[in-house]
Amino acid sequence: NAGVTQTPKFQVLKTGQSMTLQCAQDMNHNSMYWYRQDPGMGLRLIYYSASEGTTDKGEVPNGYNVSRLNKREFSLRLESAAPSQTSVYFCASGRQGEETQYFGPGTRLLVL
Amino acid sequence: AQTVTQSQPEMSVQEAETVTLSCTYDTSESDYYLFWYKQPPSRQMILVIRQEAYKQQNATENRFSVNFQKAAKSFSLKISDSQLGDAAMYFCAYRHYNAGNMLTFGGGTRLMVKP
Repeated sequence: NAGVTQTPKFQVLKTGQSMTLQCAQDMNHNSMYWYRQDPGMGLRLIYYSASEGTTDKGEVPNGYNVSRLNKREFSLRLESAAPSQTSVYFCASGRQGEETQYFGPGTRLLVL
Repeated sequence: AQTVTQSQPEMSVQEAETVTLSCTYDTSESDYYLFWYKQPPSRQMILVIRQEAYKQQNATENRFSVNFQKAAKSFSLKISDSQLGDAAMYFCAYRHYNAGNMLTFGGGTRLMVKP
């Protein structure tokens, strides 16, 4: 049981480049989330998916898109990366109706 | 909108001693959950303890306990018998009962444990 996995662990992009961050969970959770973490701040929600086939904006969605590919996978896409998107990105999942979220190990993204 | 505030950017404690991390929150709701998450250098967020707002009894998990003061909107974490492995960032988080599992996090407190 791997829990929540994220790829890649680290990525460097140039301004304007695009990339997709991958997330998968093997706990049969309905809900999945993408957060970003910046220095001195807590995690802020970018997008979430309450169930397969649905996605909703969180606190800071601008510049991002998501896809809930199936129950296991939830990807985050940066279409045109900006230096302001330099951050650590966390994926999380949880069982609908339960309050606990389980986090992946994070992806460190640097946009030059 | 809900806000979560952790007023202590850094704390330090001697090994085997007790330390308390502070958290306050602002909400107009009555049904919600509160959490403490630990983030070690590996960066993975680990759930430490959770509290349901409707429960008066403070949650406890081994060496970790909370002091939940609903009227004061305060939710502090007490770590007893501190160990070197407790050194990490600690985040307080809030979730409204019907918020679709969306968490609001505080800014974090870095805990250092001195041998």
